Amino acid sequence: DAGVTQSPTHLIKTRGQQVTLRCSPKSGHDTVSWYQQALGQGPQFIFQYYEEEERQRGNFPDRFSGHQFPNYSSELNVNALLLGDSALYLCASSLQGSYGYTFGSGTRLTVV
Amino acid sequence: GENVEQHPSTLSVQEGDSAVIKCTYSDSASNYFPWYKQELGKGPQLIIDIRSNVGEKKDQRIAVTLNKTAKHFSLHITETQPEDSAVYFCALYYGGSQGNLIFGKGTKLSVKP
Repeated sequence: DAGVTQSPTHLIKTRGQQVTLRCSPKSGHDTVSWYQQALGQGPQFIFQYYEEEERQRGNFPDRFSGHQFPNYSSELNVNALLLGDSALYLCASSLQGSYGYTFGSGTRLTVV
Repeated sequence: GENVEQHPSTLSVQEGDSAVIKCTYSDSASNYFPWYKQELGKGPQLIIDIRSNVGEKKDQRIAVTLNKTAKHFSLHITETQPEDSAVYFCALYYGGSQGNLIFGKGTKLSVKP
């Protein structure tokens, strides 16, 4: 049973560019949450998707957007990249109504 | 919003000793408190969790205690081994039925052989 799969594993982008990160949830899970983890910090909640809609959002600007597809997979898009967007982006999946979150290994984004 | 304070930020112990990490929070409505272990290059992995109707939970060498009145919960690792070396995060579920996990800043545990 595959866990949460994220792609790509590493990415280097230039300031001002746009990036798309992808996540496939664990089998049986229907909810996807995205987190940003800066170096030496705990994960910070970006937003959560369920039934293809954004259900809750953390304190992140509109440059951060997402999407969930009918197969429950999800994308995180970041526009107009800033140096401060450099971080590990984690995807977590869960089953609606349950507390069990499963995290992927993340995408390491470096903005230069 | 909710905030989780985690201490210490770094912890170094000798193999075989015990390690304790403590977290405090402010929202009394929180009722689910997981602990995650993150190894280098990997995502956080759930190691133990506790719900608000339970004061203590054990799983082999790992235990978690919860004091809802004082709003703090702790991770206890006994008989530490070098493979326990990692960053540990406490978290809590915040926001009701459409909530999400809020994390502490992490504790880097080093177990010296």
